[in-house]
Amino acid sequence: EDKVVQSPLSLVVHEGDTVTLNCSYEVTNFRSLLWYKQEKKAPTFLFMLTSSGIEKKSGRLSSILDKKELFSILNITATQTGDSAIYLCAVEGGGADGLTFGKGTHLIIQP
Amino acid sequence: ETGVTQTPRHLVMGMTNKKSLKCEQHLGHNAMYWYKQSAKKPLELMFVYNFKEQTENNSVPSRFSPECPNSSHLFLHLHTLQPEDSALYLCASSQGGQFSYEQYFGPGTRLTVT
Repeated sequence: EDKVVQSPLSLVVHEGDTVTLNCSYEVTNFRSLLWYKQEKKAPTFLFMLTSSGIEKKSGRLSSILDKKELFSILNITATQTGDSAIYLCAVEGGGADGLTFGKGTHLIIQP
Repeated sequence: ETGVTQTPRHLVMGMTNKKSLKCEQHLGHNAMYWYKQSAKKPLELMFVYNFKEQTENNSVPSRFSPECPNSSHLFLHLHTLQPEDSALYLCASSQGGQFSYEQYFGPGTRLTVT
């Protein structure tokens, strides 16, 4: 059975801080790892990672994948209150489970 | 604007009712998905359609019945639901076949079963 474990489950920081969110996984026939940001309702897509060591960047957000150690990190620099959300990690595998999500990291940015 | 729309946005139904959720994507994608998200669980994949064919049924009870008449539309027919079925139901679509590339989510339908 595919597994995705995110840590921490919740995190409270102050505006301007840098945060690192973790995602480790066990999956059959790994295809990709995805990060989503969920505010209020439906998640919005952030990154898809398929290759080790190649950083993906979008503004203050960046992510990298380590396929040897089976984990990914999501970094957010100079955090803002608008970054407060649940950050979901999901792994796409070739098994019957398809896309498996972690439980998410609830990030709270305090002014 | 995600390009994936869902209606209704909110639905309250009794356990004996029959209702349907609708999803429409305007992105030209070939795969569509139904997810369930409850307060304490991560997104749970329910069904996957790839080129209008159902390719995944993730052990979903028969009181949930999907329908995909074409690549742009996806329905979830509901009947004799239970209170524990109350949740946010999300539709998503993706390009290039199931589980490929990024998935675009609709806003969800908040379902309450009374």
